[in-house]
Amino acid sequence: SYVLTQPPSVSVAPGKTARITCGGNNIGSKGVHWYQQKPGQAPVLVISYDSDRPSGIPERLSGSNSENTATLTISRVEAGDEADYYCQVWDSSSDHWVFGGGTKLTVL
Amino acid sequence: EVQLVQSGAEVKKPGDSLKISCKGSGYAFSSYWIAWVRQMPGKGLEWMGTIYPADSDTRYSPSFQGQVTISADKSISTAYLQWRSLKASDTAMYYCARHLAAAGTGWGYWGLGTLVIVSS
Repeated sequence: SYVLTQPPSVSVAPGKTARITCGGNNIGSKGVHWYQQKPGQAPVLVISYDSDRPSGIPERLSGSNSENTATLTISRVEAGDEADYYCQVWDSSSDHWVFGGGTKLTVL
Repeated sequence: EVQLVQSGAEVKKPGDSLKISCKGSGYAFSSYWIAWVRQMPGKGLEWMGTIYPADSDTRYSPSFQGQVTISADKSISTAYLQWRSLKASDTAMYYCARHLAAAGTGWGYWGLGTLVIVSS
């Protein structure tokens, strides 16, 4: 089955740039979605299809995807960005959705 | 406004059966896949399965195949997640979710979750 690998944690100072990676075999050929989940809340879609921001998501959040790594980039990080972030893909070979293990973003 | 309203928290004993629900409103319920996602305490998101209400076409994660049943009643715009015999390890938050737009897009709409606690 298809596996997505994320770092368990990323730390960044306020105002700096955070990059959260999602590794997978030839993930660049798939559409990657990213979710933000704050404690006690349901997940929120922040990036769809590699780099599309749904309505209401700040431009500070962006996504890219190439070869074996997809990346969620958060510019000018704020305290409110502290959350867990998950990547997700549809694995067409198995007809299954797959989540990465999640990355906890800590704002120092 | 698209909304997914989930049923309330449940406290059950091992061996009990359970069916939780997810009612969609504000859109054509039959036309969008509904997904179920498990989140165990302190853990990540796990896709359990997905159903297309128009024809009840259902896909299961291998991890959940045979462990749960996903169904839908399009006449009342409601999807269900069902267990025949709960285990303590089923204790988790369960979310339903819908694609933002066409199938394959990210899940832009989520229910608030149903907390299931299984304890003797």
